[in-house]
Amino acid sequence: QQPVQSPQAVILREGEDAVINCSSSKALYSVHWYRQKHGEAPVFLMILLKGGEQKGHEKISASFNEKKQQSSLYLTASQLSYSGTYFCGTDTGGFKTIFGAGTRLFVKA
Amino acid sequence: NAGVTQTPKFRILKIGQSMTLQCTQDMNHNYMYWYRQDPGMGLKLIYYSVGAGITDKGEVPNGYNVSRSTTEDFPLRLELAAPSQTSVYFCASSFGLAGGQALFFGEGSRLTVL
Repeated sequence: QQPVQSPQAVILREGEDAVINCSSSKALYSVHWYRQKHGEAPVFLMILLKGGEQKGHEKISASFNEKKQQSSLYLTASQLSYSGTYFCGTDTGGFKTIFGAGTRLFVKA
Repeated sequence: NAGVTQTPKFRILKIGQSMTLQCTQDMNHNYMYWYRQDPGMGLKLIYYSVGAGITDKGEVPNGYNVSRSTTEDFPLRLELAAPSQTSVYFCASSFGLAGGQALFFGEGSRLTVL
């Protein structure tokens, strides 16, 4: 079953923060986050395994609440290059990753 | 490194025609996937494979077929093309180890059925 992402779209000014959420009705083994620029393929950002860990890469980090089957992606001090569509992908243990509908992020100067 | 290579990048088909989208990866990944992405929408899993000779259906398999005779190649066959199959098709691969691994995507194949 497809995970639910929120919000559907976000508009930010440079330097502002954003949170993108992803929730599933099924127990999750892992959650992936990807960013897709217009006309390009999705690019992997990070993966979180069950255990409630939090990961970070520069100003982009994510958390995974295994009990609630929820993950959040945190973008701090946003840059113009952060613009794109963010997808969460969920894995329930069968090695097939199912993606959410995406969150469109637009960062303006 | 080439990564995941898809051909063709663009194709126009007439209703009822058939074609094969090619996908090859040089990372020795066990797991390969086909997704489709309709305009402004998310990625829908069509088929996936966990190794040579093993394939399974994803979310939207109707109208498609796959085969996996080698680790490197995972072609997607469209039979009797329909306008509803107009989409961008992405092939992806991963190591597929326990806990899941990052998906590496090809550049995509844009298909239009008229």
